[in-house]
This record gives sequence, structure tokens and C-alpha cells, in this order.
Amino acid sequence: KQEVTQIPAALSVPEGENLVLNCSFTDSAIYNLQWFRQDPGKGLTSLLLIQSSQREQTSGRLNASLDKSSGRSTLYIAASQPGDSATYLCAVSPNQAGTALIFGKGTTLSVSS
Amino acid sequence: GAVVSQHPSRVICKSGTSVKIECRSLDFQATTMFWYRQFPKQSLMLMATSNEGSKATYEQGVEKDKFLINHASLTLSTLTVTSAHPEDSSFYICSARRSGGGRTDTQYFGPGTRLTVL
Repeated sequence: KQEVTQIPAALSVPEGENLVLNCSFTDSAIYNLQWFRQDPGKGLTSLLLIQSSQREQTSGRLNASLDKSSGRSTLYIAASQPGDSATYLCAVSPNQAGTALIFGKGTTLSVSS
Repeated sequence: GAVVSQHPSRVICKSGTSVKIECRSLDFQATTMFWYRQFPKQSLMLMATSNEGSKATYEQGVEKDKFLINHASLTLSTLTVTSAHPEDSSFYICSARRSGGGRTDTQYFGPGTRLTVL
């Protein structure tokens, strides 16, 4: 059974710091991996999606990497800002299209000004 | 990008009543929709997979008679929480699968519905 773990559960940093969020999954046979942002009491915003054949994706100050063989992904946030404060969720899609996502518990990030 | 809406965004009800939550794909057809539940500080957990025109598939531990799912059209799925109890209070999120064939399959998430049962 696929399990997704995110470390750390919570992270507090001062504005301007670069930071890394970690995600690991137990079954390397995934279709893709996705990083989401969730603000308190709100839905999900998709940040980056990495297909199983890809190694990384970048969007602005965000960079996500994927090492499928070791079951790991990282989300790198450069020059963090208070507006980045949110919970970041990692989710994997099992090894076929159109199936539900399996989520980690998330990392709650707080960026202080 | 594709838009998925949920209604209502927030609902408070008394114990024993039933609550219906709607999930709509506004600009695409979704043969498959998923319903997730999220308890505070927990991950999103899949409750059921809803396929248009057929019965929903429920995950282990989810009571199908309590959480009624109807996917009557390609743009609408509904989740009805029957005889709600305080332990059903949670954040319910739907997603709709947009089919593009192969690797273009993408899920779009709704904004969620906060259910509070008193």
C-alpha cells in the first residue's frame, strides 16, 4: 500500500531564506507526483506536477525534484516571503492514469517578516 | 485553466439531518470525480470514486449508505451525508478528472466544503 510521508510537519523561517520541503513515498511505481499549496480552510492550489519520467519542474521561485527510484521528492522555495505561509501537500498518482491521488499530511510553513 | 466548484462552501447542521454537497466541473466534462475528506491537521483521504452513470466505488471503511454519491451528469457529482453526526464534521473536497488521454489526464480540485455538525 502506497504511503506518503512529509518532513518536517512544520517549519518556521525568516523572510528571505531558501528552504526545502521533503516528501517520500513507499512504492516507486508512480505515474506522477504533485505539490499543492493549501491555505487555512481553503482548497488546493496545484504548484508543480512532475511526471514519472521527469527529474524536476520549476515555476518561479519553486523547484520540485523527483527521484523515483529512491521514493523521494523535494520542493525548494527560494527567497521565501510571508505570502508563502501555507501548508504544502505532496501527492502521488499510482501507476495508472485517472486514479485518485495519495496525499501526505503536509508541511505547514510559516515565513515571518 | 479548468474550474471545479463546490456548493456550499460552508454548512452547519444539526445532528441527525442530511446534507448535500455539490461538485461541478464548470468548463469540461468529467467522467470521473473523486471525493476526499480532510480532518484537522490530517491528510486528504479518499472516500470514494464517482463515475458518471454508474455506482460509486467506496474506500474501505467508508459507509456507502451514509455517504451517498450520485454522478448523474458529466459535470455534476453530489455527496449526501445522511443522518450526520458530530464525528462527520470535516472538510470535504472533490476533484474532477479531465481526460486528455495518457499523460494529459489531470485532476482539478474544488475549493472544499466545511461541514460542522452540532
